[in-house]
Amino acid sequence: GAGVSQTPSNKVTEKGKYVELRCDPISGHTALYWYRQSLGQGPEFLIYFQGTGAADDSGLPNDRFFAVRPEGSVSTLKIQRTERGDSAVYLCASSKLAGAYNEQFFGPGTRLTVL
Amino acid sequence: AQKITQTQPGMFVQEKEAVTLDCTYDTSDPSYGLFWYKQPSSGEMIFLIYQGSYDQQNATEGRYSLNFQKARKSANLVISASQLGDSAMYFCAMREPSGSARQLTFGSGTQLTVLP
Repeated sequence: GAGVSQTPSNKVTEKGKYVELRCDPISGHTALYWYRQSLGQGPEFLIYFQGTGAADDSGLPNDRFFAVRPEGSVSTLKIQRTERGDSAVYLCASSKLAGAYNEQFFGPGTRLTVL
Repeated sequence: AQKITQTQPGMFVQEKEAVTLDCTYDTSDPSYGLFWYKQPSSGEMIFLIYQGSYDQQNATEGRYSLNFQKARKSANLVISASQLGDSAMYFCAMREPSGSARQLTFGSGTQLTVLP
């Protein structure tokens, strides 16, 4: 079956602009995660959805970042007034459940460059 | 404090040789999961192997095995018979069930290069 897909694969924007990054999880996966990976670092947690609700958004760096998952499937990460420091690869992952063990399947990521 | 520590920024191994990638972790939870992911230059994160804190035996998946030493809080990845396609970034990660998000916490990674 299809894996996690993310669009766009690359996004170049100017400082101050608004961007949306999309994640389409594996069908039937209720848990969805957004991570941010800066150059040379491991991914860092941003936000977690269980179904439609954001169960934990403690990783969002500030109020310029927001994410939605209105129908419990596709999720959109929204960044307002982008800054150069937002440049990174944004990874989405999904899993069947968020239990003590569950494998998270990652998408290919969106590389965001803020000029 | 770092929850996951990978002390080897880069490693080299000769093709067909075995290599060990180090990972130490820090948690006060008695129940946790440890994961290893591979990230090739294409960027996607590929799940390799999982070890649960209560698992009695070290996990193995094909050429990958996990040397789990609970008392030392280490979970080193062993890759046997290295192949050129193993060249990639490798990340150790942990999930603690006490967190509401059950998110993965990653280390900073080890860049493995397999030499022909």
